[in-house]
Amino acid sequence: DVKVTQSSRYLVKRTGEKVFLECVQDMDHENMFWYRQDPGLGLRLIYFSYDVKMKEKGDIPEGYSVSREKKERFSLILESASTNQTSMYLCASSPEDTQYFGPGTRLTVL
Amino acid sequence: GQQLNQSPQSMFIQEGEDVSMNCTSSSIFNTWLWYKQDPGEGPVLLIALYKAGELTSNGRLTAQFGITRKDSFLNISASIPSDVGIYFCAGHFNTNAGKSTFGDGTTLTVKP
Repeated sequence: DVKVTQSSRYLVKRTGEKVFLECVQDMDHENMFWYRQDPGLGLRLIYFSYDVKMKEKGDIPEGYSVSREKKERFSLILESASTNQTSMYLCASSPEDTQYFGPGTRLTVL
Repeated sequence: GQQLNQSPQSMFIQEGEDVSMNCTSSSIFNTWLWYKQDPGEGPVLLIALYKAGELTSNGRLTAQFGITRKDSFLNISASIPSDVGIYFCAGHFNTNAGKSTFGDGTTLTVKP
């Protein structure tokens, strides 16, 4: 069974902290994605990766960076968290067209 | 970039009613996908469509890939309370390295 896991379901951080969100997939997929989901705004793509050490900016990359050192792991980094980054963060992996999502991390920045 | 217009934005229906939602795009896609997100979870694939004109069913769900390749619809028949959630359409073009374009979602509420 396909599985995408995210390191935390809920996270509370303070403004200015460095935040790491981890995502792991066990399906040997080439492609991995990070989205944020806010009410009324759908799924907005932050970054994606189509291979180890490869990354591309999505629609809203500002304030975020990513790391993909191993095929199964894709990390999202908030270098200096701000209150406007309070959101639901969803990770996904994909072999081609279908995306498999993790359960999400609800991040609150105080 | 590519954008999808998904409508309606939200629906409030009575249990047993049928539901219809659709997505339109200014660009063509090779694949149309429909996902459902249960409250507090990540989206899960419901139906994938690969051919213009294709009509596919999955239980009470039916989806169609528009003949122009620029639109798709999803119907749910005889809704039940567990149909509650957010439904997303997504369009995929083969050269996009797995990246899909998502609609903004339709939030469905079903009253028992």
